[in-house]
Amino acid sequence: GDSVTQMEGPVTLSEEAFLTINCTYTATGYPSLFWYVQYPGEGLQLLLKATKADDKGSNKGFEATYRKETTSFHLEKGSVQVSDSAVYFCALSAQAGTALIFGKGTTLSVSS
Amino acid sequence: DGGITQSPKYLFRKEGQNVTLSCEQNLNHDAMYWYRQDPGQGLRLIYYSQIVNDFQKGDIAEGYSVSREKKESFPLTVTSAQKNPTAFYLCASSIGGSSGANVLTFGAGSRLTVL
Repeated sequence: GDSVTQMEGPVTLSEEAFLTINCTYTATGYPSLFWYVQYPGEGLQLLLKATKADDKGSNKGFEATYRKETTSFHLEKGSVQVSDSAVYFCALSAQAGTALIFGKGTTLSVSS
Repeated sequence: DGGITQSPKYLFRKEGQNVTLSCEQNLNHDAMYWYRQDPGQGLRLIYYSQIVNDFQKGDIAEGYSVSREKKESFPLTVTSAQKNPTAFYLCASSIGGSSGANVLTFGAGSRLTVL
């Protein structure tokens, strides 16, 4: 079945470091892809999305490109801040109107 | 402001008791979802509903029940048949339908602890 695999954490970085969180997926057809972020004790918030191959989603300095040839949607940020410390989830929607399938999440910790 | 309200935020119950978690949305969304979050396991789908008076089981529906009598409400009951109910429960909603990316909006979650 459809699935999402993310790199395991925790990821620990210093402020202003470059961030990459890897995400690959398995799906039939052409899924939509998402990154969500969860701050401690809260629900998830949509960070960015891409709906077709080669689309780039971006928000708050984060970017991810939908790569169909490698079935990947890696999250990147050029310079992280302490406030970016959170858990990041990669997700896919195999068909419009269906529930999202989530990866296990990657914890990011940024120190000053 | 539109959003999703989950209550209670924290809930403690004894083993063998049924508990009901509330989820209300004022976004006029057709679809609603319940996910369970456990450390290191990500989010797993319990139930979802794409329209009033209809719902489908997700990957881990055993020991849970839901109802969807109103568009804005999707309560989740954790029954005594659920063997390990201690977890963080997240409710979400989306516009629904069969077009466009299925963007979910989440509530703040309910943490259930069984003593």
